[in-house]
Amino acid sequence: QSALTQPRSVSGSPGQSVTISCTGTSSDVGAYNFVSWYQQHPGKAPKLMIFDVNKRPSGVPNRFSGSKSGNTASLTISGLQAEDEADYYCCAYAGRYVVFGGGTKLTVL
Amino acid sequence: EVQLVETGGDLIQPGGSVRLSCAASGFTVSSSYMSWVRQAPGKGLEWVSVIYIDGKTYYADSVKGRFTISRDNSKNTLYLQMNSLRAADTAVYYCARGWAPFDYWGQGTLVTVSS
Repeated sequence: QSALTQPRSVSGSPGQSVTISCTGTSSDVGAYNFVSWYQQHPGKAPKLMIFDVNKRPSGVPNRFSGSKSGNTASLTISGLQAEDEADYYCCAYAGRYVVFGGGTKLTVL
Repeated sequence: EVQLVETGGDLIQPGGSVRLSCAASGFTVSSSYMSWVRQAPGKGLEWVSVIYIDGKTYYADSVKGRFTISRDNSKNTLYLQMNSLRAADTAVYYCARGWAPFDYWGQGTLVTVSS
């Protein structure tokens, strides 16, 4: 049950695109198409942004997209907006447990 | 509207116990996978436990044998019984609907383990 690996921080200017990577193993990210991404603003509960690798829940802007290749999943945010500044966590199903990434702080410059 | 409200967080001495509750509305707990996820102060998210629709339960290695997840269908409420608490269990505990993904989250309740 080791944590997935995410960059500690990423940044971008308004209007630009950023991509956050999430590296796991062949037992979690690589094994199932059950990767999800969560946005968390300070002091708030996490919010589901992407599920099943690349699906968006109702209400999540289409600026948010997900993908996966092998043992690495990615979250791309295009057309960055100030309100996108938050922590982002990936999560992967691994059978009888779930593992999260360490989190990435996105700064909108 | 789906809502999850956690209660029960407190300051607990090492070795002590506490039971967290998560009252759900807008859906039926017994018809959903339900999970607990925690976040230590300034740290990332850590999955704790899940209860399946059929009642099967699973736990993270870090809490196995000390924590017990359960639900009361008549109260539409999820629980987490936490025993033999350690300082490392200090965290905000969130209940969440689902099992990767977690589509709805409560606001969290803080458990502090300290003497």
